[in-house]
Amino acid sequence: AQSVTQLGSHVSVSEGALVLLRCNYSSSVPPYLFWYVQYPNQGLQLLLKYTSAATLVKGINGFEAEFKKSETSFHLTKPSAHMSDAAEYFCAVSETGGYSSASKIIFGSGTRLSIRP
Amino acid sequence: DTAVSQTPKYLVTQMGNDKSIKCEQNLGHDTMYWYKQDSKKFLKIMFSYNNKELIINETVPNRFSPKSPDKAHLNLHINSLELGDSAVYFCASSPNLDRGGNEQFFGPGTRLTVL
Repeated sequence: AQSVTQLGSHVSVSEGALVLLRCNYSSSVPPYLFWYVQYPNQGLQLLLKYTSAATLVKGINGFEAEFKKSETSFHLTKPSAHMSDAAEYFCAVSETGGYSSASKIIFGSGTRLSIRP
Repeated sequence: DTAVSQTPKYLVTQMGNDKSIKCEQNLGHDTMYWYKQDSKKFLKIMFSYNNKELIINETVPNRFSPKSPDKAHLNLHINSLELGDSAVYFCASSPNLDRGGNEQFFGPGTRLTVL
C-alpha cells in the first residue's frame, strides 16, 4: 500500500525566509503525488501535482516541489515566505488499487506553517 | 461558479439524531468522494461513487449511508449520531482515471458537532 510521511507537524519561518516542508512517500509503483493547502476554516486547494512528466513541479503561489526517486521524497519549497502562506499543508499520494474509475488519495498528517513577522 | 459545494457549512446536533450533508459538483466529473477530517487534521477517505455506483467503501460504520441520485450529487446521511462523529466532512470530485482523473477537487467542508 502507498503512504506518505510528513516530517514536522509544525514549521515556523520568518517572513521572507525559505520555506521547506518535507514529505517522503512509499509506493511500489510510480506514484502520483500532490501537495494540498488548507487555509483556516476552508477546504483543500491543490498547490501542485507530480505525474511523472517532470521531476521539478511548479505550483501556485510560488511553491514548487522536486520528485527524488532515489530519496523517495517530494519536498515542498518556496524561496520567500509571505504572511499569507500561513496554513496547513498536506502531502498526498494517489492510489488506484485496482479501482477502474476512482483513485484513493492517501494524505499525510499535515504540517502547519506559521510565518513570523 | 462554485465547483464543489456542500450544505450546510456548520451542523450542530444532539447525540442520537439523524442528519444529512449534501454535496454538488458542477465540473462534469464522474467520480465523487467523502472524506472525514478529525480534530487533529487527519484526513481519511470514507466513500467514493462513480456515476452513481459505489466504488470505494472504507470500513465506515453502516450508520453512514452515502446516496448519489445522479453523478453531480453525493449526499451523506448519518444515523444515530455519536460524539465521535464530530469532525469536518469534505466532499471531493474527480474526472475518470482514463481522463487524467487522479487530481481531486474539494468542497469547503461541513463542520459537524455532536453534543
